[in-house]
Amino acid sequence: GENVEQHPSTLSVQEGDSAVIKCTYSDSASNYFPWYKQELGKGPQLIIDIRSNVGEKKDQRIAVTLNKTAKHFSLHITETQPEDSAVYFCAATYGGSQGNLIFGKGTKLSVKP
Amino acid sequence: KAGVTQTPRYLIKTRGQQVTLSCSPISGHRSVSWYQQTPGQGLQFLFEYFSETQRNKGNFPGRFSGRQFSNSRSEMNVSTLELGDSALYLCASTLGESPAYNEQFFGPGTRLTVL
Repeated sequence: GENVEQHPSTLSVQEGDSAVIKCTYSDSASNYFPWYKQELGKGPQLIIDIRSNVGEKKDQRIAVTLNKTAKHFSLHITETQPEDSAVYFCAATYGGSQGNLIFGKGTKLSVKP
Repeated sequence: KAGVTQTPRYLIKTRGQQVTLSCSPISGHRSVSWYQQTPGQGLQFLFEYFSETQRNKGNFPGRFSGRQFSNSRSEMNVSTLELGDSALYLCASTLGESPAYNEQFFGPGTRLTVL
């Protein structure tokens, strides 16, 4: 079946360092790839997304890159801060416009002050 | 604007019982998706409703069901509860017609514990 693999499952960095989370997907028809951040006790919240006609998108300290040929996409966080500590999920569409999202299993990011 | 609300926030049930969870989407959102979140499996898609119709269903047994009302509020039901049903159940609403291509706004979830 369709699948999204996410690595690593945990990531610990020092404040100010960069963090990179990688995902691969299986459905070649997928063309929307959002990233969600989940803080403790809350539901996930969209932080950035990318569509298949774009290779890279940046929003302040956050960037996402997409390689459709290799079927993988990555989240890059620069100048990490303690408030970036959370669980991050990547997702990919399946089933076309009438489908839904498949989520990766999440990456727990810890930023040490 | 109020966010997605889910009730109850916490629930404790015993094996064999049934449970109903409720979700009120953001005003104007007509698509509601449900997910099960567990530590080992991440977010797993349960089903999605749009204008009172179930459009998609994930790979869950028939004990899991849902419905959507004319005001877009949604409920999900789990019958004959099993220990493995213990999880955080998340509801998400979408403004656009397709949750596959538009931002999903998540509620805080209902934490279900089955004893």
